[in-house]
Amino acid sequence: EPEVTQTPSHQVTQMGQEVILRCVPISNHLYFYWYRQILGQKVEFLVSFYNNEISEKSEIFDDQFSVERPDGSNFTLKIRSTKLEDSAMYFCASSRTAGQPLYSNQPQHFGDGTRLSIL
Amino acid sequence: AQTVTQSQPEMSVQEAETVTLSCTYDTSESDYYLFWYKQPPSRQMILVIRQEAYKQQNATENRFSVNFQKAAKSFSLKISDSQLGDAAMYFCAYRSAPRYSGAGSYQLTFGKGTKLSVIP
Repeated sequence: EPEVTQTPSHQVTQMGQEVILRCVPISNHLYFYWYRQILGQKVEFLVSFYNNEISEKSEIFDDQFSVERPDGSNFTLKIRSTKLEDSAMYFCASSRTAGQPLYSNQPQHFGDGTRLSIL
Repeated sequence: AQTVTQSQPEMSVQEAETVTLSCTYDTSESDYYLFWYKQPPSRQMILVIRQEAYKQQNATENRFSVNFQKAAKSFSLKISDSQLGDAAMYFCAYRSAPRYSGAGSYQLTFGKGTKLSVIP
């Protein structure tokens, strides 16, 4: 069964440095997402992406964050200047559709996550 | 904004027994989807079961079933004949069901999770 793959599995970065987290969504999926999970807390939505643009973002997704689909397969999350509070598990997800047609319920498939540790 | 509450941080069940994980949610929408995801120690979140709010019939997937009470905004997960491989964090999640492209929110809203241990 096709999977969402994320690299690296663990990233350690100095505070203030830029970090890029990479994801390869399932090949026929059209909608892409990033979520994060701070240790001991709930999974939180960051951003969704469709047709080469952001379709929705949360309050967490400020100017320090950006997403890109640089080619036909990768989907990246960049954090420009990392802070200590960015330490978390970051999950990429993809779905074939997001809810169309009416009542279409294509679930989001998640990757293994990247554990980001900011020192 | 929607909220999802899982009131049981941890649960345990004897192997082969049945366990029910609770989830409640708050929404003003009438159309939405509900999900249970499983996150074993290997970290990948795996979809366990899903329910469309417009369907009255409770979803079932082999040993997994839900008790969906729309009026009470409750969505509990029942695991029958528990197996050691069921040990994981279980997350309840909510998603809106937009009526047309571009409308509404496609994001998943998660509860805090319930850690399920299975005792041999």
